[in-house]
Amino acid sequence: DTAVSQTPKYLVTQMGNDKSIKCEQNLGHDTMYWYKQDSKKFLKIMFSYNNKELIINETVPNRFSPKSPDKAHLNLHINSLELGDSAVYFCASSQVTYGYTFGSGTRLTVV
Amino acid sequence: KQEVTQIPAALSVPEGENLVLNCSFTDSAIYNLQWFRQDPGKGLTSLLLIQSSQREQTSGRLNASLDKSSGRSTLYIAASQPGDSATYLCAVSGGGADGLTFGKGTHLIIQP
Repeated sequence: DTAVSQTPKYLVTQMGNDKSIKCEQNLGHDTMYWYKQDSKKFLKIMFSYNNKELIINETVPNRFSPKSPDKAHLNLHINSLELGDSAVYFCASSQVTYGYTFGSGTRLTVV
Repeated sequence: KQEVTQIPAALSVPEGENLVLNCSFTDSAIYNLQWFRQDPGKGLTSLLLIQSSQREQTSGRLNASLDKSSGRSTLYIAASQPGDSATYLCAVSGGGADGLTFGKGTHLIIQP
């Protein structure tokens, strides 16, 4: 059983398109996150959701919008994709004292 | 704002050596610290989680220490093997839903 799963694994799309990445966790964790890993491999938090409430929004363009239908899911929707959005996006979940569990990543390429 | 620094940025050693990876953080008010490994093109695998009240954690050939007051952690790898080759990431959490602040990683190569 995969603890944190995200789909798709790879996403190639043209500039200007709108796309979504889905994430699901079966750990029963209270908080879910989206992280972006840039071309230099640096990981930075984008959003976190705690009990369906947005907690952090780190200077991310408003073209990015997280949507959480329930505690186990946190999807990332991106409007009007730009070349600079190309990166690997990781979903994660956490529970106090148990640390963080990451998904396997979605490699987004905007052409 | 929390900043995490990892030294060295890259390391290449022959198989069998014991080695130490270093991590420092600027704000000592952390809730916990977590070490991950990332293989090329893959996700993050959690190695060790150290709560702020703990001094160290061990898993197999790995040992991580935490000195919260000085803002430092080390990851010790004993008897290194080629399969240990990966990027090792240190990350700290302020607790709650703060999320993790990551260092830039140490790229480790173990030569057969």
